[in-house]
Amino acid sequence: AQSVAQPEDQVNVAEGNPLTVKCTYSVSGNPYLFWYVQYPNRGLQFLLKYITGDNLVKGRYGFEAEFNKSQTSFHLKKPSALVSDSALYFCADSTLTFGKGTMLLVSP
Amino acid sequence: GAVVSQHPSWVICKSGTSVKIECRSLDFQATTMFWYRQFPKQSLMLMATSNEGSKATYEQGVEKDKFLINHASLTLSTLTVTSAHPEDSSFYICSAREGVDPNEQYFGPGTRLTVT
Repeated sequence: AQSVAQPEDQVNVAEGNPLTVKCTYSVSGNPYLFWYVQYPNRGLQFLLKYITGDNLVKGRYGFEAEFNKSQTSFHLKKPSALVSDSALYFCADSTLTFGKGTMLLVSP
Repeated sequence: GAVVSQHPSWVICKSGTSVKIECRSLDFQATTMFWYRQFPKQSLMLMATSNEGSKATYEQGVEKDKFLINHASLTLSTLTVTSAHPEDSSFYICSAREGVDPNEQYFGPGTRLTVT
């Protein structure tokens, strides 16, 4: 069985500060992991994915994620948050089973 | 990148009526399409998976007679909510995949259904 978990319902960060949105996984074998973003009343947009290779994955809009096998984590990060990054973020596994989502609020 | 469209983007219908939502892959052939349902501020819940020309496979707890899915061509799948009730009000999102690789799965913009 595979699954992902997002432990935070909401993350608040000030504009210009670094942000982290957490995701942990439990899979057998080598995981495929994804991050998607959803803006209000819109469908999901793909941000980035990890399949194999470098543990640091770079994606769209300046986001990146670090795959950590020992901690079974795949946290989403951005060095400097923008107000426009405020949205709902989903982690997903290779079966595209989604985590519950984390609302990111970036304040001006 | 590949584009998936949905129509309509939002719809309001009266209780007891049926409503059809279309999902199209615009620039690729979607052998598999997926329908998700999302309640406000919640995650996407997979409702069903459909392969072109085959009957859809429904997730546990999803009423197949209520949520009719047709995947008649490689570019079109439809979800019909029959005898809609207010509790069916939700955001419905489809996604489409050309092969078996989850890397190549693309999502539509969603359809907001409100049943009055």
